[in-house]
Amino acid sequence: DSGVTQTPKHLITATGQRVTLRCSPRSGDLSVYWYQQSLDQGLQFLIQYYNGEERAKGNILERFSAQQFPDLHSELNLSSLELGDSALYFCASSVAGLLDEQFFGPGTRLTVL
Amino acid sequence: AQSVAQPEDQVNVAEGNPLTVKCTYSVSGNPYLFWYVQYPNRGLQFLLKYITGDNLVKGSYGFEAEFNKSQTSFHLKKPSALVSDSALYFCAVRERDETSGTYKYIFGTGTRLKVLA
Repeated sequence: DSGVTQTPKHLITATGQRVTLRCSPRSGDLSVYWYQQSLDQGLQFLIQYYNGEERAKGNILERFSAQQFPDLHSELNLSSLELGDSALYFCASSVAGLLDEQFFGPGTRLTVL
Repeated sequence: AQSVAQPEDQVNVAEGNPLTVKCTYSVSGNPYLFWYVQYPNRGLQFLLKYITGDNLVKGSYGFEAEFNKSQTSFHLKKPSALVSDSALYFCAVRERDETSGTYKYIFGTGTRLKVLA
């Protein structure tokens, strides 16, 4: 167990809908990262937050947004969902920045029908 | 150019034999390199990283990786493979986004390691 929790484990929704994925980092970790893993695009870094502020941005679509709250948990919001958004979404946390070991959660499997 | 490349989709090795999973990189400036492993239906687990210093990095579960600047490689190795090492292995690099000036993580496409009993 990495200490990173993600909810829900599975999510099934329809095209055009909006969903929110939640992540709680390990105790003491200030950074939270979001990743998308799909068969066709592999593992893609989406975004990093550090202590409530956006720190780094990867291949995150404009339909997607994230935030990190004062208690350091994070949410990833996916809107206007398309079939191609079906994927496994991982959250990870680390003590500080991108040079630190990241601890990954179990992931949320999103299925868009 | 791709920042990090894993040229092999799959590597098969007999249990007890040494294993190598290849990774090459292409980044400007100092490379910061990582290896992660993903077991079925699980999130990724950190194995090791190279930031600076000794070119041979030792990590979790008996794995090590050799940083080779001249060949721009960071191959993952283990002297004696176990069946339980069978998993998906990802190489990653921290890269600077020239447009925004921020850093991001780039993962390779992954290499599936199969250790045969």
